[in-house]
Amino acid sequence: GAVVSQHPSRVICKSGTSVKIECRSLDFQATTMFWYRQFPKQSLMLMATSNEGSKATYEQGVEKDKFLINHASLTLSTLTVTSAHPEDSSFYICSVRGPGTVQLASYEQYFGPGTRLTVT
Amino acid sequence: KQEVTQIPAALSVPEGENLVLNCSFTDSAIYNLQWFRQDPGKGLTSLLLIQSSQREQTSGRLNASLDKSSGRSTLYIAASQPGDSATYLCAVYSSGSARQLTFGSGTQLTVLP
Repeated sequence: GAVVSQHPSRVICKSGTSVKIECRSLDFQATTMFWYRQFPKQSLMLMATSNEGSKATYEQGVEKDKFLINHASLTLSTLTVTSAHPEDSSFYICSVRGPGTVQLASYEQYFGPGTRLTVT
Repeated sequence: KQEVTQIPAALSVPEGENLVLNCSFTDSAIYNLQWFRQDPGKGLTSLLLIQSSQREQTSGRLNASLDKSSGRSTLYIAASQPGDSATYLCAVYSSGSARQLTFGSGTQLTVLP
């Protein structure tokens, strides 16, 4: 499958500051990228979907002005948590999906290792 | 809206035991179903992906079955080992063009030595 990286793996920030998380698709063209959030002992909840070069589509209840998503290239998407608060502390995971090749189906998502955000 | 449920939420078994994890989904019109493993504080590791036309997939000690019409899937783990301890997530791909992925809440498995 595709190789996906996230940076940083862990970040601690003060309340009120902004933090940026990067998601990179290392070995294929990610035409679509997804951002998920996972609270302790809960499952992954989709936050937003972005297609390369287009504005992200946010799920209901996710503030687009608070969680800024940029998908400027086929290999990089960023999630910026603006004016972070302690309740934003969570595990953020990105996943990618490509246009499909002989080896990789067009629907399957490949996941990054996640970023642990702690807001103090 | 698709809902995915996993039972049990947590399971503790002695090493060597065979076990079954259950997953059910409300909308049987799925494209595919995938089982993942997640270790504490880590991302997801794909275990098995079953296409909607298939009934089962096997990888080593793992066997996943799919009964699309009844909205159920099971993950069978044979001869469990302490290293199998993790959270197991079931997820379904919707059949619409968006191919959206919906996750279950997971089963936390502990295999005792």
